[in-house]
Amino acid sequence: EDQVTQSPEALRLQEGESSSLNCSYTVSGLRGLFWYRQDPGKGPEFLFTLYSAGEEKEKERLKATLTKKESFLHITAPKPEDSATYLCAVQARDSNSGYALNFGKGTSLLVTP
Amino acid sequence: DTGVSQDPRHKITKRGQNVTFRCDPISEHNRLYWYRQTLGQGPEFLTYFQNEAQLEKSRLLSDRFSAERPKGSFSTLEIQRTEQGDSAMYLCASSSVAGPPYNEQFFGPGTRLTVL
Repeated sequence: EDQVTQSPEALRLQEGESSSLNCSYTVSGLRGLFWYRQDPGKGPEFLFTLYSAGEEKEKERLKATLTKKESFLHITAPKPEDSATYLCAVQARDSNSGYALNFGKGTSLLVTP
Repeated sequence: DTGVSQDPRHKITKRGQNVTFRCDPISEHNRLYWYRQTLGQGPEFLTYFQNEAQLEKSRLLSDRFSAERPKGSFSTLEIQRTEQGDSAMYLCASSSVAGPPYNEQFFGPGTRLTVL
């Protein structure tokens, strides 16, 4: 069965203090790994899709990387507005799974001034 | 606004009542998904449509739940005889089969259901 584990559950950073969020996954065949940002009471906001090991994508202060077992979301010099829950999800290539996303529980990030 | 929209945004109901939610996907997207999210958890997949065909249903989708997408555009999710355990955020997402980006799912703001 596909599994997605995110760590840490919660992270508190000072403004400017860089760090990384981890997403470990087990899937029979990976079609794609997705990162989303979710603010309280809102729907997830799409950030990145990674398709194969070694792939990297960047957007402003965020950089996502992918290996065969895990993905990292690196946050460089974060600002208070980066505070949110970051969700990781995998989409399996298994024909029984269709296109459903299997999400982790998320990492709640708080960036203080 | 050309994003995914959902209506209503909030719904409070009494146990045993029926509720219906609506989702309007991004106009050119032919895949539409429903997820449920409870506090402290990631979204859990319920079902998805390609055009008007419902192609996959999760084990979470009990007999009390039904979803439709009659003309391949908007979709409705109905919950019959609601239970307190149905209280959650119900999220809709859409994606395109043509791309890129052909696989990314874009989410709406969600409908928060509270069952008293």
